[in-house]
Amino acid sequence: DAGVIQSPRHEVTEMGQEVTLRCKPISGHDYLFWYRQTMMRGLELLIYFNNNVPIDDSGMPEDRFSAKMPNASFSTLKIQPSEPRDSAVYFCASTSRRAGGPREQFFGPGTRLTVL
Amino acid sequence: GDSVTQMEGPVTLSEEACLTINCTYTATGYPSLFWYVQYPGEGLQLLLKATKADDKGSNKGFEATYRKETTSFHLEKGSVQVSDSAVYFCALSPPSGNTPLVFGKGTRLSVIA
Repeated sequence: DAGVIQSPRHEVTEMGQEVTLRCKPISGHDYLFWYRQTMMRGLELLIYFNNNVPIDDSGMPEDRFSAKMPNASFSTLKIQPSEPRDSAVYFCASTSRRAGGPREQFFGPGTRLTVL
Repeated sequence: GDSVTQMEGPVTLSEEACLTINCTYTATGYPSLFWYVQYPGEGLQLLLKATKADDKGSNKGFEATYRKETTSFHLEKGSVQVSDSAVYFCALSPPSGNTPLVFGKGTRLSVIA
């Protein structure tokens, strides 16, 4: 299995630009999570989906952030317009409720976003 | 609500020293417990897990025992290596399994030769 795939791995953009981060979960997983990690705030859950439906987006910091999951194998996190304080590493993770047992999450390698 | 508290870092040890990273939790019922490790520049990886009281999870020389009476899941290793330098996260999965993992804030470990 290829694991969770994220792209791009690194993104450098200028303030005000639109940024789109992409995630492909592990095949067969029905939960997908987006996290943000910074030195100051640590690991934060932004939003998660179950069967492509957003379940809890209370962690999304502002209306500038939006996430979609048009199908079971693809999700995007969009920031528009981006600001320097959005600089962070963004992780996608997935898991399967159908697998049974403890709900361990599998993480992607992350996208390091720098907003100048 | 459910929560995880782990010791503040950073922790700096010499190679071959003993490691303990404390983790305690608050949860209703019987959660599953996890330790994740994040190496520099990488995502989080599952290190070990335990699903019921007195279970011991182990991997790569690390161990942790699920202690229901003290609501703890401390991570231990008898002899650390430079390659163990990473950030370690304790986490729990609520019994329902229908909500995301609850993570601690992470503990940074640096091992020097």
